[in-house]
Amino acid sequence: QQKVQQSPESLIVPEGGMASLNCTSSDRNVDYFWWYRQHSGKSPKMLMSIFSNGEKEEGRFTVHLNKASLHTSLHIRDSQPSDSALYLCAARTSSGQKLVFGQGTILKVYL
Amino acid sequence: EAAVTQSPRNKVTVTGGNVTLSCRQTNSHNYMYWYRQDTGHGLRLIHYSYGAGNLQIGDVPDGYKATRTTQEDFFLLLELASPSQTSLYFCASSPQGNYAEQFFGPGTRLTVL
Repeated sequence: QQKVQQSPESLIVPEGGMASLNCTSSDRNVDYFWWYRQHSGKSPKMLMSIFSNGEKEEGRFTVHLNKASLHTSLHIRDSQPSDSALYLCAARTSSGQKLVFGQGTILKVYL
Repeated sequence: EAAVTQSPRNKVTVTGGNVTLSCRQTNSHNYMYWYRQDTGHGLRLIHYSYGAGNLQIGDVPDGYKATRTTQEDFFLLLELASPSQTSLYFCASSPQGNYAEQFFGPGTRLTVL
């Protein structure tokens, strides 16, 4: 069964700093990645998605994808306390109708 | 934004008990999903459906049944609840298509004593 591994398990950055989160799939048929954000006590909400090699930027958030290594990363610049949350990476295979989620990275941004 | 509601929001039952979790989406989405969330495991897919009467098995289906009665309603059934099923359960929906975003409900916290 496909596995999605995220690292680190937790991350602490100062306000205004850069946070970098990683995600790798073990399934060579994966062709699409999502990043979801889940604030404490809330439900997950989609942050960004990527399926092409390279990077995609939306405001303070940048996602990279290397399809050869099945590795994606999420970078948050100028981190804010409101960015403190659980970040979940999800992957979809080209033949599937479902997502497989990683275990998540807990990000804490301190003042 | 897509609206997904779940009920109850909290449920406590005993081992061997019967539990039904309900999910409704009002956005005419074809796909609906049931996940459980446990610390260290992220979200794990239990069952999903792509339309009324359809059911697909997810990655952790043991001990769970599901039924999609209408396009709007998807139910998760635990007929003989066990303490290992204590978890936070999320329902999600998405439009047709492999690459559509999933929209999550608020979650149901289930405790099996």
